[in-house]
Amino acid sequence: NAGVMQNPRHLVRRRGQEARLRCSPMKGHSHVYWYRQLPEEGLKFMVYLQKENIIDESGMPKERFSAEFPKEGPSILRIQQVVRGDSAAYFCASSPARLAGVDTQYFGPGTRLTVL
Amino acid sequence: RKEVEQDPGPFNVPEGATVAFNCTYSNSASQSFFWYRQDCRKEPKLLMSVYSSGNEDGRFTAQLNRASQYISLLIRDSKLSDSATYLCVVNGAGTALIFGKGTTLSVSS
Repeated sequence: NAGVMQNPRHLVRRRGQEARLRCSPMKGHSHVYWYRQLPEEGLKFMVYLQKENIIDESGMPKERFSAEFPKEGPSILRIQQVVRGDSAAYFCASSPARLAGVDTQYFGPGTRLTVL
Repeated sequence: RKEVEQDPGPFNVPEGATVAFNCTYSNSASQSFFWYRQDCRKEPKLLMSVYSSGNEDGRFTAQLNRASQYISLLIRDSKLSDSATYLCVVNGAGTALIFGKGTTLSVSS
């Protein structure tokens, strides 16, 4: 049973470009969470999604960031017009449908975004 | 006051030592509590959930004091492989996990 998968593992973008980060949850999990870890900082919640629905986006920056979890395919975190301050590790986690938020969240290996 | 606070360390201990980490949280409505472990530049991995009655998993013991909003992790007989950053994690009133910044442990031979 494959764990949470994220790709790419490393992504380099120049300022002003777009970054697309993908996350496939564990089999049987329908809840996806995105977290960001800045250098020397703890993980910060960004957004919580179920299939075709954004449930909680209270941690998302108001501009340039968006997330989706379509009916088919992986969840996508999209960052438009990246800036150097977006350089970070972006982790995706998933949990089963039973008790979202209370159930254990399992993390993917992360995407390390570097903005030049 | 930060939502989840931990002593950042580092804790430098010899093999075989017993070491304890503490954590406090600010939201009294928090429902679930965890310790995660994060190795350098890798994803957090669940070490153990923390229950009000306290729980033990091998060399690891976790305690929760809801009245004081305090969580602890005790590691006995430290191994070199225990070297990592230990993250205190609280599930808030919503669905997000709230992470502390972590406590770094270095076990040496």
